[in-house]
Amino acid sequence: AQKITQTQPGMFVQEKEAVTLDCTYDTSDPSYGLFWYKQPSSGEMIFLIYQGSYDQQNATEGRYSLNFQKARKSANLVISASQLGDSAMYFCAMREGLGGRRALTFGSGTRLQVQP
Amino acid sequence: DAMVIQNPRYQVTQFGKPVTLSCSQTLNHNVMYWYQQKSSQAPKLLFHYYDKDFNNEADTPDNFQSRRPNTSFCFLDIRSPGLGDAAMYLCATSRAVGVEETQYFGPGTRLLVL
Repeated sequence: AQKITQTQPGMFVQEKEAVTLDCTYDTSDPSYGLFWYKQPSSGEMIFLIYQGSYDQQNATEGRYSLNFQKARKSANLVISASQLGDSAMYFCAMREGLGGRRALTFGSGTRLQVQP
Repeated sequence: DAMVIQNPRYQVTQFGKPVTLSCSQTLNHNVMYWYQQKSSQAPKLLFHYYDKDFNNEADTPDNFQSRRPNTSFCFLDIRSPGLGDAAMYLCATSRAVGVEETQYFGPGTRLLVL
């Protein structure tokens, strides 16, 4: 079974608008961390935001926020006020805790294109 | 600035000719990882070091080896590259292996096998 599912292979958004990138996950571990990374065409994976399974509040980092719905096992990334430089591949990833793998498991990614 | 550095950024090798990719970090992190990422796919973990402790993923081919001579450096050796090994190779580091530990990636090395 897929541990991380990103159902949107590609998304378009107009500059200055908000966009939501979907991510659902599957784990039986009570302790886990969820991460979002941005990968521009240059190839580098850039860390954006982190949400822990025990965090009570949704994580925010500047224009990035994470809509964490634990019961639904979803961790959607919201980018507000999109900019042309946000065009990139976005990966959701999970790290499981007790008894689980300590490495990151990545989803298949969503390619975001911001249009002027 | 503290960072993860990978050299070279682009590497061309011939089928069957051994190649070494290098990674260094100034973050003083305990854990270093090597990922392989093929076109339009998610990164796939090959192995990682926790300090000097080497951890191989079960499905990593024997053709791939790694060395970590000190905290700062980690190398990926591909003993006999095949055409299927052409990919982006990403090095990452983290302070430890807790669920909250962020992995920081280098810029990657794109490997082309002729």
